[in-house]
Amino acid sequence: AQSVTQPDIHITVSEGASLELRCNYSYGATPYLFWYVQSPGQGLQLLLKYFSGDTLVQGIKGFEAEFKRSQSSFNLRKPSVHWSDAAEYFCAVGVSGGYNKLIFGAGTRLAVHP
Amino acid sequence: GAGVSQSPSNKVTEKGKDVELRCDPISGHTALYWYRQRLGQGLEFLIYFQGNSAPDKSGLPSDRFSAERTGESVSTLTIQRTQQEDSAVYLCASSSGQALWEQYFGPGTRLTVT
Repeated sequence: AQSVTQPDIHITVSEGASLELRCNYSYGATPYLFWYVQSPGQGLQLLLKYFSGDTLVQGIKGFEAEFKRSQSSFNLRKPSVHWSDAAEYFCAVGVSGGYNKLIFGAGTRLAVHP
Repeated sequence: GAGVSQSPSNKVTEKGKDVELRCDPISGHTALYWYRQRLGQGLEFLIYFQGNSAPDKSGLPSDRFSAERTGESVSTLTIQRTQQEDSAVYLCASSSGQALWEQYFGPGTRLTVT
C-alpha cells in the first residue's frame, strides 16, 4: 500500500540556520511527490512538486527538495530559515490509476527560534 | 480569482446530531477532494469528485459519511449521527483538469462533537 513517512514530528531551528525535513514514501510506480505548508490559521499551500526529470526541484519561498529513488526519499531543504517559516509541513505522494489522489504524511511542525 | 471557500468555519454539535459541511471550489476546477485532519495528524483522504465520473468514495470511514457535488460546483459533506471521534478539521481542495495534482485547499471547517 502507498504510504508517506515523515520521521520528525517536531523540529526547532534558529533563524538563519539551514533546514532539512525528511520524507520517505512507499509506492510501487514512479511517484509524483509534493510538499505542502500549513501556516497557523491558514489552508495548505503547495511549496513544490516533482513529476519527472531533474531530481532537484525548486519551489516557492526559497525551498527546494531532492528526489532520491534509491532511498525512496524526497527531503525538503532551505539554506537559511526565516521566522515566518514556522509552520507545519506535509509531504505527499500522488497515487494514480483511475482516480488521482494524494496520500499525506503526518506532518512535521517547524519552530524557529529568533 | 477567489480561492476555495468552506462553511461554516467552526461547528460545534452534540453527539448523535447530523452536520453538513459546504465547499465552494475554485470556478472551473473539475476535481474536488475532501480530507479529514485530526488533531496533530496528517490529512486523511475521504472522497474525490472528478467531473461527471463516479466519485472515489474509498476513503469514507463509515456509512455515516456521505458527500454530494452539484455538477462542477458546490459540494456538501454530510456526517450523520456524529460521534466524538468525528471531531477534526475537514478540508476541501480543488484542482483543474489541466493540473489535477495541484490541489488548492480551503481554510477548513473545524468540527467539534460534544
